[in-house]
Amino acid sequence: NAGVTQTPKFRILKIGQSMTLQCTQDMNHNYMYWYRQDPGMGLKLIYYSVGAGITDKGEVPNGYNVSRSTTEDFPLRLELAAPSQTSVYFCASSGELAPLHFGNGTRLTVT
Amino acid sequence: AQSVTQPDIHITVSEGASLELRCNYSYGATPYLFWYVQSPGQGLQLLLKYFSGDTLVQGIKGFEAEFKRSQSSFNLRKPSVHWSDAAEYFCAVSLGNNDMRFGAGTRLTVKP
Repeated sequence: NAGVTQTPKFRILKIGQSMTLQCTQDMNHNYMYWYRQDPGMGLKLIYYSVGAGITDKGEVPNGYNVSRSTTEDFPLRLELAAPSQTSVYFCASSGELAPLHFGNGTRLTVT
Repeated sequence: AQSVTQPDIHITVSEGASLELRCNYSYGATPYLFWYVQSPGQGLQLLLKYFSGDTLVQGIKGFEAEFKRSQSSFNLRKPSVHWSDAAEYFCAVSLGNNDMRFGAGTRLTVKP
């Protein structure tokens, strides 16, 4: 079982560059999420999706965009990278009212 | 404001000692409650969850948690800690709308 797969594992960006963090799940979950994790801050919800074609903002959406064209994939786009976006990003998925299954994270550094 | 609080940033216990990690929430209704564990370089893994019913819930790896409505708490416990339990622990709540919010985490160190 692959579960939730995130790529890449690590990435260094220069300020102003753009990139897409990939996330795919093979559990046929309707719900998918993007979190960022910063030291001492826990996880903050960036965006989530309750099904293909439906996305919504979480606590900290500024500077990010998402799309959900299929049930399996939920990419996160950074258009103009800023140092404040240096973080570890986690994708997760779940069924209805069910616990989250997490990927192993993407460590992003913006310099 | 809605929030999840884990008062202890870092806890150190001796191997074999008991453990309690605290979690308090501030929501208008009773939320769904979760504890997750994160090992270094890994994603989060579910330890246990509370939706309704018996307020003492059992999880994996010998962990349990008790929901106390009067105290808005959901503390995690383990009677005897093993060195492999060293990790970061996160309490999380959801109001059933699949918007899950996490506490800041408690890092557990286990002394030999």
